[in-house]
This record gives sequence, C-alpha cells and structure tokens, in this order.
Amino acid sequence: GQQVQQSPTSLVLQEGENAELQCNFSTSLNSMQWFYQRPGGSLISVFYNPSGTKQSGRLTSTTVIKERRSSLHISSSQITDSGTYLCAMERWGGRALIFGTGTTVSVSP
Amino acid sequence: GALVYQYPRRTICKSGTSMRMECQAVGFQATSVAWYRQSPQKTFELIALSTVNSAIKYEQNFTQEKFPISHPNLSFSSMTVLNAYLEDRGLYLCGARAGRGAETLYFGSGTRLTVL
Repeated sequence: GQQVQQSPTSLVLQEGENAELQCNFSTSLNSMQWFYQRPGGSLISVFYNPSGTKQSGRLTSTTVIKERRSSLHISSSQITDSGTYLCAMERWGGRALIFGTGTTVSVSP
Repeated sequence: GALVYQYPRRTICKSGTSMRMECQAVGFQATSVAWYRQSPQKTFELIALSTVNSAIKYEQNFTQEKFPISHPNLSFSSMTVLNAYLEDRGLYLCGARAGRGAETLYFGSGTRLTVL
C-alpha cells in the first residue's frame, strides 16, 4: 500500500486565505522533504525538514517524527502558489525518495 | 551552482519500441542517481537507485529487464524504457545526490514519454 499519504487531495483557495497540507507516513522515517511541482512537471525543493518547524517566507513546515507526520502551512496564499505539493520520505539512506500522493492547490483571485 | 540536465524533455515512441533518457550532473559529483516515474494523475514512483560502484537497486514492480540503467561516471546516468507500452507513459525524472551526508537531491526537469 501507499506508504506516504497526503491530504487533502486538492484544495481551492481564494487569494489571501491560509491553508494546511498534511502528510502521514505508514512506516518509521528518518527525514522527509516537501516539494512543489510546477504545472510543467519539474520539482522544486521547498523544505528539507527532518524534524521540528522550519519557515521560509509564507511557508512553514512542521515535522513530528515520532508521530510520522508532517504539515505544510501556506499563509496569505497567492495565485502563484497554485500547483501540486508533494511530501516525500527518504529511502536508502536519503539517496532516493518515496513520494506522497500529492495535494493540488488552486488559488483564485 | 549544482544542476541536473535531463533530456530529451519530451519524446514520442511507438508501442513496442524503446527509448532512452539521460541525465547530466553539472557542478557536483552525482554519486547516486534515482529514477522516478509519474504516471498520469498519479504521484512519483521510485523505479531504481543507481550508486557508482554498487549494484543498481530496483523497487518492486520495476526490473532491470524493462528499465536498464547505466551510470558510468559521476556526472552521467541514463535509463532506457524497453518495449514501451501505454502504461509506460508519463513523466520520468532523475534525482541525483552527491556523496554520503549530502542532504540535497538535485532533480532534472523530466522526460515526458508519450506512447502511441
């Protein structure tokens, strides 16, 4: 079965709204990352977050390893935040990743 | 800076034929390269991990006979999709990492495969 589950599957926001994306892991993990996938398909690393809370601009990631979960908070969403957000857990000592099911975010004016 | 060039960006092949995609690491030594596939409406699946001087590890449901990988040096890796069929279509991505302890994975921009 799927080792990394994300919720919600999709999210529709009005510009300026906040959002919280969840990631849950079915197995123990050492570290995880968040990615943003552009509409064309390429991936951009958003956070490398082994544990605790990290913030970058309007994005905040919180990972609780022992609870096997991570969240990505988007504050004051903008149209340019639209796209798919993927969390991923490390595989084979971090040399590869197991990706989550993804959350597609759509921000409208 | 560190980059991974992946090519071709898009390719179309006839059902039953094969196609090869390549990744070139620039600005760092790609000790390990992982290959992924994102089928339509799905997430990325890990296909295999190639580490220089080690055997290639394939995930369940993926085999060397179907997705042979070459990783001859620290800057280049290629993967071939043999006998491609409709279910092989999707976006293929390579992700490379420098040596042990390096946190950052550098991803190529992907190869989108269409099978006719």
